Amino acid sequence: DSGVTQTPKHLITATGQRVTLRCSPRSGDLSVYWYQQSLDQGLQFLIQYYNGEERAKGNILERFSAQQFPDLHSELNLSSLELGDSALYFCASSEGDLPGTYTDTQYFGPGTRLTVL
Amino acid sequence: GQQLNQSPQSMFIQEGEDVSMNCTSSSIFNTWLWYKQDPGEGPVLLIALYKAGELTSNGRLTAQFGITRKDSFLNISASIPSDVGIYFCAGPFGGFKTIFGAGTRLFVKA
Repeated sequence: DSGVTQTPKHLITATGQRVTLRCSPRSGDLSVYWYQQSLDQGLQFLIQYYNGEERAKGNILERFSAQQFPDLHSELNLSSLELGDSALYFCASSEGDLPGTYTDTQYFGPGTRLTVL
Repeated sequence: GQQLNQSPQSMFIQEGEDVSMNCTSSSIFNTWLWYKQDPGEGPVLLIALYKAGELTSNGRLTAQFGITRKDSFLNISASIPSDVGIYFCAGPFGGFKTIFGAGTRLFVKA
């Protein structure tokens, strides 16, 4: 157990709909990262928040948005869903805001599996 | 955009065999990370490398940071069934981002 929690575990919805994925970071971690993993693909970095502020953006679609709240939990909002948005969405957290540095290991949650029909 | 190329894409081995996989990039990295993803789980960090030429072990796993800083290797000795999963290399790129390779899928036959 990494200490990162994600809800829901599974989500099935229809094209055109909007969903919200939720992530609670490990206690004490200030950074939250969102990744998308499509079938047989690697992890695509979407966005990072540090202590409530956006820190870095990857290939995140304009239909997607995220935020980090004062209690440090984060939500990823996906709207106007398309079939191609079906994927595993992972949240990770780290203590600081420089992933890959000696003291800033990213810990991943169990993921939310989104299926768009 | 920047990519990390992992090979092989998949491996089918017998229990007890040693495994080698690698990750290459066209750009220099200052950190190399190796993660494992078990089926239905999120990735877990196995080994982190911070210095060119560094060789680090974690149990039966050994990883090396290539001298050119453009590649890294992961070896697993005496594989066991629970080694099954996807192994990802990753590295921080462009400041705050971490990019991941497409992964090497390992299958171990008992």
